[in-house]
Amino acid sequence: QVQLVESGGGLVKPGESLRLSCAASGFTFTDFYMNWIRQAPGKGLEVISSISGSSGSTKYADSVKGRFTISRDNGKNTLYLQMNSLRPEDTAVYYCARGEWLPNWGQGTLVTVSS
Amino acid sequence: DVVMTQSPLSLPVTLGQPASISCRSSQSLVYSDGNTYLHWFQQRPGQSPRRLIYKVSNRDSGVPDRFSGSGSGTDFTLKISRVEAEDVGVYYCMQNTHWPWTFGQGTKVEIK
Repeated sequence: QVQLVESGGGLVKPGESLRLSCAASGFTFTDFYMNWIRQAPGKGLEVISSISGSSGSTKYADSVKGRFTISRDNGKNTLYLQMNSLRPEDTAVYYCARGEWLPNWGQGTLVTVSS
Repeated sequence: DVVMTQSPLSLPVTLGQPASISCRSSQSLVYSDGNTYLHWFQQRPGQSPRRLIYKVSNRDSGVPDRFSGSGSGTDFTLKISRVEAEDVGVYYCMQNTHWPWTFGQGTKVEIK
């Protein structure tokens, strides 16, 4: 069965960096778009970045463009999100999700940006 | 960006009674291939979101048939024919016809 396991979250100060990982299993990783979606505490859902199966195409929400970088290692079946210049408003649970229609989600990893 | 507007935002329902959630988009969600990429998700308390319905009206595997989706263009609906206790949570519509993909604000379903 499909499994997505995020890791790498934690408490950081404004301006610092963090790299999230999402280990995927149970499907052919290279066949699918992969996505990062976040949810601020008590708030709704925001798709922040997406990457095609071949890594040929990446997309970003304006809120993270220029600060976050999505990437994938198809040999390791792992999705990454490099987050630089973090701000307090980036505080959220970060989920990875499979495919363009998001049929499968991980359990999420909490990122807290606070001084 | 395409704005997704859900109503109501809070929906108290009696067990066994029907429930309906509306989702309206600020632009047509019909893609150039003729498909409409509007999906519905359920988020139970303390859990990750779970997709219920994809492309307007297709129920995911394992989703009870009391859940149904309908609509077209800019106007969509999720219906629960008879609400059960396990249906408590927040429901989101989401479009991925246009980037950035966007979610509605969420509708909180609770038992009266």
